[in-house]
Formats: sequence, C-alpha cells, structure tokens
Amino acid sequence: RKEVEQDPGPFNVPEGATVAFNCTYSNSASQSFFWYRQDCRKEPKLLMSVYSSGNEDGRFTAQLNRASQYISLLIRDSKLSDSATYLCVVTDTGYSSASKIIFGSGTRLSIRP
Amino acid sequence: ETGVTQSPTHLIKTRGQQVTLRCSSQSGHNTVSWYQQALGQGPQFIFQYYREEENGRGNFPPRFSGLQFPNYSSELNVNALELDDSALYLCASSSGPAFETQYFGPGTRLLVL
Repeated sequence: RKEVEQDPGPFNVPEGATVAFNCTYSNSASQSFFWYRQDCRKEPKLLMSVYSSGNEDGRFTAQLNRASQYISLLIRDSKLSDSATYLCVVTDTGYSSASKIIFGSGTRLSIRP
Repeated sequence: ETGVTQSPTHLIKTRGQQVTLRCSSQSGHNTVSWYQQALGQGPQFIFQYYREEENGRGNFPPRFSGLQFPNYSSELNVNALELDDSALYLCASSSGPAFETQYFGPGTRLLVL
C-alpha cells in the first residue's frame, strides 16, 4: 500500500461545478498536511495547508480527518484556470527534521467551458 | 515568481555518467530540499540541506549526494547515472526546515540515454 494515495483522475467537470478530491495516508503519526497545485510542465505551488479544524481560502476548502486518515480538497464554482494537477502532501516532520515528506501522485483536474 | 532558480533547465546524459544540478535559493532562505519527479508521479523527497548540513534524506541511494554553500545555494550530484534517473529534479527553498514554507524552482529535466 502506498503511503499517500490519490485518485489520479482525470476529473473532467464543467465550469462552475463543485469538485472534491480525497487523499488517504497510511501513517497515523503524520503531522502536517498540504495541497499543492502543479500546472503542466511547471513546478508545484503551495495551494493551502490543511488544519485539523478545516480551513477555507476563497473557493477552496480543505479538511482533515485523522480518524479515517484522509484529507480532502473541495473546489467550488470551478474556473477554467483551476485545470491542473493537485498534489496531496503529508509529512511527519518536526521543526528540525525533514526526513519524511511524501507527495501523492496527484489528481488531474480538467475544467471544460 | 518564487525567486528560486535552477540550472541547467534541460540536460541529456548517458548511462554511467555523472551529473551536477544547481539551485539558488530565495533571498533570506537557509534551507534547500531536492526532489525527483518522474513522469506522471508526484515529487519524491531526496534530501534537505539546512545551514550547510544534510538535514534528512529520503529513500535514495548514496550515489545521490548534495552540498549547500555558505550563500545557501545547493548542488545535487548523481553518480553512475541509470536510465531510471530520467526525471524532473526540483529544488525548493525555505526559511527553515519546516515543510510549510517551501517554494519550488522551475526544475531541471534530466534525460539519461
């Protein structure tokens, strides 16, 4: 079983739709969680951190479920510019260590007009 | 843009050769992390350098080595190249080892023939 698993997609949804991705992780001791966005042939860019209480940034909402060991990303009112690959990141690093940073394989999202 | 630069942008090598990739971190950042991203996969953590010392390593063999210089720029060296080393190599800089603050460079695409 992979340490971090994502549905690879592609998700193909119309503009304006709501879409949600999940990401499961295997290490219950994981401490920090993030969503990154990667456009084709570009570097990943931090989209948002995921906090235990859940957090929202405009049209994007991230949730963490420690009991079931998954994080989710919800995109409301999707735009054409949201088309990208969304990478889930899980880490068990403390401040002084960087030994366990794991990216999922990514979920491809395509928004159609 | 992030202010993180990498060189070269593209590189072609043959099996058995050695390669050095370079990364200049964002001004004020003292930490550089290196990742390997194969086609269709998420980035895999190679190692991190913090204040010129290795500060954590992923599951990569010793032929992957690195350096960080007093100005916090960094090099990734790969010896005895294998075909499977063909990938996008990303570096990310941050103001400390905590993963949340990492900013990625555009990457170096390495092709091993």
